[in-house]
Amino acid sequence: DTGVSQDPRHKITKRGQNVTFRCDPISEHNRLYWYRQTLGQGPEFLTYFQNEAQLEKSRLLSDRFSAERPKGSFSTLEIQRTEQGDSAMYLCASSPSTGTDLSPLHFGNGTRLTVT
Amino acid sequence: AQSVTQLDSQVPVFEEAPVELRCNYSSSVSVYLFWYVQYPNQGLQLLLKYLSGSTLVKGINGFEAEFNKSQTSFHLRKPSVHISDTAEYFCAVTPRVRNDMRFGAGTRLTVKP
Repeated sequence: DTGVSQDPRHKITKRGQNVTFRCDPISEHNRLYWYRQTLGQGPEFLTYFQNEAQLEKSRLLSDRFSAERPKGSFSTLEIQRTEQGDSAMYLCASSPSTGTDLSPLHFGNGTRLTVT
Repeated sequence: AQSVTQLDSQVPVFEEAPVELRCNYSSSVSVYLFWYVQYPNQGLQLLLKYLSGSTLVKGINGFEAEFNKSQTSFHLRKPSVHISDTAEYFCAVTPRVRNDMRFGAGTRLTVKP
């Protein structure tokens, strides 16, 4: 079990630049989630995929944010025209689809974004 | 929408003392409840979950939690903590009808020798 993998671990960028993060879920998991975590807060839901379909997006996800999961495996989260307020830890999680029972989320170690 | 309140942002305790981390939730629908732990520089790991059945749930590392529907609480307990339990603990809730997990702000548990 290789777990959920996120790349890069850290990203420092200048305000106004675009950044892209990658998440590789556990291989048999068809559900993939993106969360954002700021200092002193719990993770905040951003978006959720079932296979390649993006089923839900939080209102936190402004039009500068876009997420894709083109083949139902890895996912990317892109932030365009970054702002200092985007500085946070971006967490990816995955879970299997198991019918009526809810499977817990398995989290990656996150990508820490610092916008200067 | 559901929400989670963790009543203590920081809990310092001495090693081998008991600890309780408090969590209250609100929701208009039935929910599943979880506790996650985050060690420094690591991702979140599942400690335990309540889906149905017995209201006392046992998790990893000697932790347990009790679901109290009337008080809408899901407090986490451990009878004797270790230095290695020092971490951030997050309570989370999701509606049973869909996967929309919401987290509390977290409680930082610091175990002192």
